[in-house]
Amino acid sequence: DGGITQSPKYLFRKEGQNVTLSCEQNLNHDAMYWYRQDPGQGLRLIYYSQIVNDFQKGDIAEGYSVSREKKESFPLTVTSAQKNPTAFYLCASSSRTNIKTQYFGPGTRLLVL
Amino acid sequence: KQEVTQIPAALSVPEGENLVLNCSFTDSAIYNLQWFRQDPGKGLTSLLLIQSSQREQTSGRLNASLDKSSGRSTLYIAASQPGDSATYLCAVVGDAGNMLTFGGGTRLMVKP
Repeated sequence: DGGITQSPKYLFRKEGQNVTLSCEQNLNHDAMYWYRQDPGQGLRLIYYSQIVNDFQKGDIAEGYSVSREKKESFPLTVTSAQKNPTAFYLCASSSRTNIKTQYFGPGTRLLVL
Repeated sequence: KQEVTQIPAALSVPEGENLVLNCSFTDSAIYNLQWFRQDPGKGLTSLLLIQSSQREQTSGRLNASLDKSSGRSTLYIAASQPGDSATYLCAVVGDAGNMLTFGGGTRLMVKP
């Protein structure tokens, strides 16, 4: 089955700790995205990547970092600089031929201990 | 900068009612508009996508309309069912880019 997977489903972070959220897709999509969703709110763009080894900041990139070493993978690291990391994180991807339609993963909920 | 607003933020209706969810956007230069469904703690499922040249799209009991010039879209749900309970999000893609701008969502509860 083709799709987007995110792991883990739940993640707990201690104060001062960096944590990494995984996003993998087997749709052969070129572009990948990370969004943050706070309770009762829409999604806000953190980072996006349109091609391997390249990525751009979104609206709320501070306190986050990403890498894009492989087409299939776009991990997001929540650093200790992100003071309010508790949120639901969603990964998405889109193809080069239909770049304006994004497909979403199931999400990771990050909680601070 | 594009801003997307959804009204109401929450809605509770008895089963069987027809209902309308509203979405408005500030910049009419959009490429498409998409309605998503989100169940609690889950990802997004695309319901309907309307290209800027289209006026509406239908899928089963769902009908989405687009009035690009006035910056509005509505999602009409006919004969609502408890299984329709979820958060509904609308999002637009601008002509100039491929980024989605989301509204805050409408949380729908359909009571049996």
